[in-house]
Amino acid sequence: SAVISQKPSRDICQRGTSLTIQCQVDSQVTMMFWYRQQPGQSLTLIATANQGSEATYESGFVIDKFPISRPNLTFSTLTVSNMSPEDSSIYLCSTLSGGETQYFGPGTRLLVL
Amino acid sequence: GIQVEQSPPDLILQEGANSTLRCNFSDSVNNLQWFHQNPWGQLINLFYIPSGTKQNGRLSATTVATERYSLLYISSSQTTDSGVYFCAVSGGSNYKLTFGKGTLLTVNP
Repeated sequence: SAVISQKPSRDICQRGTSLTIQCQVDSQVTMMFWYRQQPGQSLTLIATANQGSEATYESGFVIDKFPISRPNLTFSTLTVSNMSPEDSSIYLCSTLSGGETQYFGPGTRLLVL
Repeated sequence: GIQVEQSPPDLILQEGANSTLRCNFSDSVNNLQWFHQNPWGQLINLFYIPSGTKQNGRLSATTVATERYSLLYISSSQTTDSGVYFCAVSGGSNYKLTFGKGTLLTVNP
């Protein structure tokens, strides 16, 4: 199974600022995903990060708010832009490993004041 | 898209008890996974089980794809089993997972 790390593990930010979250996988992977988990809620897919092309966003999520980079097959970043308190969530990246099983990173806990 | 319903939403057990968690889905799937989210937020893979039965220690899972449901069994529960259990499915070739709302399990000593 893939081993995934995320930075930062948590952060407290002021509204109107931006935060970039990093996701590193210990092996080359084709597909990487970014999810959001709002407080007390389930996980919702934000986008699929594609290597060499633009990310594919789900309904309700836009590139201007959540720009994503995927410079190589082991790394991706998600930026949460112009933050508001409603962006307070856990942000998780995931990847496929061993076929169709998805594995998740430890998450980034974001609190926006 | 595929709808995923989990039941019960909350479950409180005494240590040593057994439990069954259910996941219903609205369409055919080619991927079904069970996860445990611990109190620190980490999502732990339990099973990849689009069909059939698997066992891992005190946990086992069964998916009946033709009837669109999956069950997660926890036997001899321990306090460390506490947390939220999520079922997640995908139905296409894009591997995008749709999560249920989860079952919050509390195991008391």
